[in-house]
Amino acid sequence: EVQLVESGGGLVQPGGSLRLSCAASGFTFSSYEMNWVRQAPGKGLEWVSFISSSGSTIYNADSVKGRFTISRDNAKNSLYLQMNSLRAEDTAVYYCARDMAPGSGSDCFDQWGQGTLVTVSS
Amino acid sequence: DIQMTQSPSTLSASLGDRVTITCRASQSISSWLAWYQQKPGKAPKLLIYKASSLESGVPSRFSGSGSGTEFTLTISSLQPDDFATYYCQQYNSYSGTFGQGTKVEIK
Repeated sequence: EVQLVESGGGLVQPGGSLRLSCAASGFTFSSYEMNWVRQAPGKGLEWVSFISSSGSTIYNADSVKGRFTISRDNAKNSLYLQMNSLRAEDTAVYYCARDMAPGSGSDCFDQWGQGTLVTVSS
Repeated sequence: DIQMTQSPSTLSASLGDRVTITCRASQSISSWLAWYQQKPGKAPKLLIYKASSLESGVPSRFSGSGSGTEFTLTISSLQPDDFATYYCQQYNSYSGTFGQGTKVEIK
């Protein structure tokens, strides 16, 4: 069974940093592109970051460019999101999500984690 | 960036109703469109990919159609488990833009 389990969320002050993790199991993690998607309280879904299977290609939403860094460790079957210079508007549930088909380029997301809540507030 | 616009934002319907949700893209995305269902406190669930392909395990009462810039999600006969929020997503580009969502409520 495919599982994605996020961790690392919590309360952080504006300007602070946080590192999210996503532990993957039940599939060949190193073959799949991965993403982070967030959802502010009561709002819709917003794609945040993409990373290729090897980690060599990364894309970020304009809203997080220069502040957030996506990375992965295929040996540990783990995905990460380093979030710096956090703002109140970054408050959201953060989901890791798997591209549906390995190596297919831009794709939809067929597996999602349960999400981890990040709250940016003083 | 490609913008996705869903309508309506909220839809009130009764059990057994046929329900249609529309999603429009600001430019052509061919058939690179997905539909997701999300229930409160849960992660989104993929229903439809490539505009009209049903994800494994999804009931056949769900169907998708369209190409280019206009797409629809149809639920042929609304069931109790279908009351949720639905999102479209374009994946023609890596930004993976979502629509704003359509909440399906009990009438």
